[in-house]
Amino acid sequence: ETGVTQSPTHLIKTRGQQVTLRCSSQSGHNTVSWYQQALGQGPQFIFQYYREEENGRGNFPPRFSGLQFPNYSSELNVNALELDDSALYLCASSPRSGGTSGGARNEQFFGPGTRLTVL
Amino acid sequence: RKEVEQDPGPFNVPEGATVAFNCTYSNSASQSFFWYRQDCRKEPKLLMSVYSSGNEDGRFTAQLNRASQYISLLIRDSKLSDSATYLCVVSQYSSASKIIFGSGTRLSIRP
Repeated sequence: ETGVTQSPTHLIKTRGQQVTLRCSSQSGHNTVSWYQQALGQGPQFIFQYYREEENGRGNFPPRFSGLQFPNYSSELNVNALELDDSALYLCASSPRSGGTSGGARNEQFFGPGTRLTVL
Repeated sequence: RKEVEQDPGPFNVPEGATVAFNCTYSNSASQSFFWYRQDCRKEPKLLMSVYSSGNEDGRFTAQLNRASQYISLLIRDSKLSDSATYLCVVSQYSSASKIIFGSGTRLSIRP
């Protein structure tokens, strides 16, 4: 077990609704990344948070937003849900190297994911 | 063209065989490289980091070729438990972080 937890495990929403997914990072890890994984595909990088600020973002629209809290836990919010948002959402925590960069330098440890179905 | 490309497989090999995967990346500014494995309906798990000098962990060997922009994974004496999808990961972090997963290579080991 990685010590990274996510909630909820499964979620069913309808198109147009909003959803919040939660992630608790592994003890000692201060960086959290979020990914979307469609069936048969590799995880797609949504964004990364370090020190409560977004530290990098993939090709996802602004309706995908996030937060990181002082205890390094994180939330992913998705507004105006679309059918194509149905996927496994993974969060991963990693330790941060010193300096202003390096959030993507280190190994990541994944939570079990939240499976979102949009009807 | 995808930024990170992998042969999707499936690779179907007998137990005890040696199998190798390659993963190519397009951005020469890429800085960190990893291999993860993912079992069906589970989260990815780190297999190993990939260093310029190459690294080995038991039956697994990873190599990085920066000139040709690919990383490789070699599995020797394959076990039934090695059956999984293997994901390569390429990341940049000079300014903002950018982490790219390949689509994965499926490996099936048969008895």
